[in-house]
Amino acid sequence: EVQLVESGGGLVKPGGSLRLSCAASGFTFSSYSMNWVRQAPGKGLEWVSSISSSSSYIYYADSVKGRFTISRDNAKNSLYLQMNSLRAEDTAVYYCARDAKVRGVRLDYWGQGTLVTVSS
Amino acid sequence: QSVLTQPPSASGTPGQRVTISCSGSSSNIGSNTVNWYQQLPGTAPKLLIYSNNQRPSGVPDRFSGSKSGTSASLAISGLQSEDEADYYCAAWDDSLNGGVFGGGTKLTVL
Repeated sequence: EVQLVESGGGLVKPGGSLRLSCAASGFTFSSYSMNWVRQAPGKGLEWVSSISSSSSYIYYADSVKGRFTISRDNAKNSLYLQMNSLRAEDTAVYYCARDAKVRGVRLDYWGQGTLVTVSS
Repeated sequence: QSVLTQPPSASGTPGQRVTISCSGSSSNIGSNTVNWYQQLPGTAPKLLIYSNNQRPSGVPDRFSGSKSGTSASLAISGLQSEDEADYYCAAWDDSLNGGVFGGGTKLTVL
């Protein structure tokens, strides 16, 4: 059974940093691209970042470029999102999702999400 | 403002057929496939339609997708109360070099 479990969310002050993790199981993690998608409270989905299976290709939304860094460790079946210079508008539930197609946003499995709150 | 445009709401009665539109541009829907997601209240999104009109295993055939030019549509036939959810379209955008979602459509079953 495919499982994605996010962790690392919490309350952080504006300008602070946080590192999210996503533990994957039930599939060959090293064969799939992975994505982060976020959802602000009461709002719609926003694509954040994507990383290819071997980390060769990495993409970011303009809203997080230069502040967030996506990475993965295929040996540990884990996906990460390092978030720096956090702003109030980064407050959201962050989902990791498996991408069945590179550059396709075909996200066939999702985690349960982890809440990030940026507030003083 | 979302790159892909969806109506904020839609509604129908049980048994009816409803459609939800998704409008984009040549850099996203016009040149890439469209996927649709269903998000039930308080849960993570679920892939409903991929590659414009394909259903993942387990998705009822009441759900169908189509694409024409720079627009796409999701149709739900035989509407059921459990279909009440938020629906999102998504595609890759070649100009932005990233993924884009529609703003979402809240479907109400009257």
